[in-house]
Amino acid sequence: DIVLTQSPDSLAVSLGERATINCKSSQSVLYSSNNKNYFAWYQQKPGQPPKLLISWASTRASGVPDRFSGSGSGTDFTLTISSLQAEDVAVYYCQQSYSTRTFGQGTKVEIK
Amino acid sequence: EVHLLESGGGLVQPGGSLRLSCAASGFTFINNPMSWVRQAPGKGLEWVTGISETGSSTYYADSVKGHFTISRDNSNNMLYLQMNSLRADDTAVYFCAKDTGDYFDSWGQGTLVTVSS
Repeated sequence: DIVLTQSPDSLAVSLGERATINCKSSQSVLYSSNNKNYFAWYQQKPGQPPKLLISWASTRASGVPDRFSGSGSGTDFTLTISSLQAEDVAVYYCQQSYSTRTFGQGTKVEIK
Repeated sequence: EVHLLESGGGLVQPGGSLRLSCAASGFTFINNPMSWVRQAPGKGLEWVTGISETGSSTYYADSVKGHFTISRDNSNNMLYLQMNSLRADDTAVYFCAKDTGDYFDSWGQGTLVTVSS
């Protein structure tokens, strides 16, 4: 099974500052046949279901603010919030679909 | 607008069974794989099981293989999860998720399953 390891487990960032979350996969999730990374990011706020933020490692979902961006390929991925807003306080999860489905353990983002 | 509504959760004793349902609307159900994802209290997300568009293929996490069964009724836009031999570590909120085949683009609000004596 593919294991996804996120870092850090939690981070506190000042409003307007950059937040960076990393996710490392135990094996590549890049399909060479179509050059796509089967990798996504989700945001979950307390008491709510997860919400899709990024698919294919770097494609923002409909309605997601452009301060959220995804990057990386193969085994190493990053979610960046360029200017943290109060409404971004949440837990963020990475997820792969290269082989069945697995999630990272989550990263909690708070305001400093 | 996509709408997924889970039901069937509740309190069950260890070793018992429960059947969860998910009513889907707002999209062409038969065109989409579907999945169940769970979240234990205060913990992260765990993909549990998935099913192909027609129901001919099913996939399970090792943690539930052999005691959970996923199924679907495409005539009525319903997804099901039959859970047998329930254990305390199956306690979680169970989410129904619309699976594009590559990621989960819509989620229900979840239904809580508590396994306790």
